[in-house]
This record gives sequence, structure tokens and C-alpha cells, in this order.
Amino acid sequence: KNEVEQSPQNLTAQEGEFITINCSYSVGISALHWLQQHPGGGIVSLFMLSSGKKKHGRLIATINIQEKHSSLHITASHPRDSAVYICAVRFSSGSARQLTFGSGTQLTVLP
Amino acid sequence: NAGVTQTPKFQVLKTGQSMTLQCAQDMNHEYMSWYRQDPGMGLRLIHYSVGAGITDQGEVPNGYNVSRSTTEDFPLRLLSAAPSQTSVYFCASSYSSGQGAMGTEAFFGQGTRLTVV
Repeated sequence: KNEVEQSPQNLTAQEGEFITINCSYSVGISALHWLQQHPGGGIVSLFMLSSGKKKHGRLIATINIQEKHSSLHITASHPRDSAVYICAVRFSSGSARQLTFGSGTQLTVLP
Repeated sequence: NAGVTQTPKFQVLKTGQSMTLQCAQDMNHEYMSWYRQDPGMGLRLIHYSVGAGITDQGEVPNGYNVSRSTTEDFPLRLLSAAPSQTSVYFCASSYSSGQGAMGTEAFFGQGTRLTVV
């Protein structure tokens, strides 16, 4: 079965800390997405990547295709970064449009 | 830019009632989908559409119907609501990428919190 696993499930950090959230998947993929979900809000796409590394502001996403692993890093974390971060992948087999989601990482950044 | 618009944001239904969750996008996306999000689980695909007039089942389609008469709209119908359908529902859309393509960015609606009592 094609699976996506995220770790940790919950993460509490102090403002200013460097944060890493991990995502691993079971078989080959064509793309990986990192999404952000704020409490009571919708879901926003942060990154879509298929290789290497992408950076947007204080957010950095990396992917290692050989190890089937991706990480989302947040530098100089801030309380407004508190949200659920979700990893989603498009597996190479099956429909290229469909996404399979991890269960999410609840991040709380304390002031 | 409106993006993906879902209505309503909140809904309470009695068991056995029917209702339609609305989803509209103004980005001319061909691919639209409905997901449900339950505590401790990732989003699960209910139904999806690759274009007007074409729909297909996802991972958890039972109890739900969809139609796609226009590119813009993709409503989700609950024919006879059950407590097991209590969940948060998300509609999403993206450009059509074709089989085997890398895929494109997905845009999500704000979600509909549905409670069935």
C-alpha cells in the first residue's frame, strides 16, 4: 500500500528555534507537497517539489528521492507559524493527479 | 482572486437528511476533488473529476455523490446523512497535468465542518 508518514505528530517550540518536520513515503513519487493548515482555516500550499530544495522566506523544503524522505524546516520560528503542517505526495503509479496525505504535524510555537 | 470557494462553512444535519456541499473555482482548473479530514488521519479522497462531465470514485466514496456539469462547479451530495459522515470536508482544484506528469499545485477551499446527529 502506498503510504505517507510524518513525524513528529506534535511539536512544541520556543520562539526563535529552528524547526524540522519530516515526511517519508513508501514507493516512488512524481511530486511532494507541503501544506499548512491554520486552526479553523483552510489549507494553503507551501511548496511543491520533485527534487532538491526550495526556499520561501523562513521556510525551506528538501527532498531526497533515493531515501524517499522530505523535510520542512522553519528558521527563526514565530508564534504565527503555529499550525498543522501536512505532507502529501503524488505516487508515480496510479493517477498522477491524486494526492496521498500524511496525518499532519501540529506545531505550536510559544512566545 | 476568489480561488476555491466552499459553502457552507458549518452545517448540522439530522441522520437521514440530505444536503449538498458546494464548491466553485474560478481558475479554469480541470481537476477537482473532494476530501474528508478526520482526527488522527490524513485527508482521504472521496470523489474526483478530471473535467466537465467526468467523475470517478476515490478512497471513501460510499454515501456520497458528485457531478461536474461545468468546469467551475463540483458539488458533493450526501444522500442520507449518517453520524459516520461527521467530518471536515475540503474541496481542491488544480491544473490538469496528464498521466505520468509531475503534477501541479493544489488549491484548497476553506473547508466545511459537518456534524451529523
